[in-house]
Amino acid sequence: DIQMTQSPSTLSASVGDRVTIACRASQSINSWLAWYQQKPGKAPKTLIYKTSSLQTGVPSRFSGSGSGTEFTLTISSLQPDDSATYYCQQYNSYSYTFGQGTKLEIK
Amino acid sequence: EIQLVESGGALVQPGGSLRLSCVVSGLTLSDHYIDWVRQAPGKGLEWVGRTKNRSQRYAIEYAASVTGRFTISRDDSKNSVNLQMNSLKTEDTAVYYCVSWTAGDPTWGQGTLVTVSS
Repeated sequence: DIQMTQSPSTLSASVGDRVTIACRASQSINSWLAWYQQKPGKAPKTLIYKTSSLQTGVPSRFSGSGSGTEFTLTISSLQPDDSATYYCQQYNSYSYTFGQGTKLEIK
Repeated sequence: EIQLVESGGALVQPGGSLRLSCVVSGLTLSDHYIDWVRQAPGKGLEWVGRTKNRSQRYAIEYAASVTGRFTISRDDSKNSVNLQMNSLKTEDTAVYYCVSWTAGDPTWGQGTLVTVSS
């Protein structure tokens, strides 16, 4: 099975900062990677799919990039509402694994 | 707008059974893959299983942790996908989400809580 490793596990940043979260796959997943945002007590929300496609309604400060085994979620200018846990998921092949999550807090 | 609504979550004893349902609207179910994903309290997301679409002959896949105990079925005429869970263990306690896939774009339901405890 493909393993997904996110870094960092926790992140603290200030409003207006540029923030980057990394996701590494144990083998190539082509571009089949999604990013999710989850707030406490809520269902995950899709931000990015197919590595870099922004889901409808998601603010343009969120972007995704990468290929093969290395992927990145970037928030260009951090906002207070962005405090959440972020997950990546590969859907190239079984067993469609998730990263362990990155908890982002606002200073 | 695509919407998914899960139901059926409950408190059940270890060894018991439970059936979850996911009703989908805003899409033609037969054209789409549907996943079940779970999240144990305070933990990360875990993929549970998938039913593929009609063109993939409705093939079904399961995570190793639930193979032989969980069964996914679908009723396209009712726009629903079910998750039958048997021989439940305490470690199956989680919020269970269904997720639809449209051209590689996932949409999530709001989840339903399953608690396995004596």
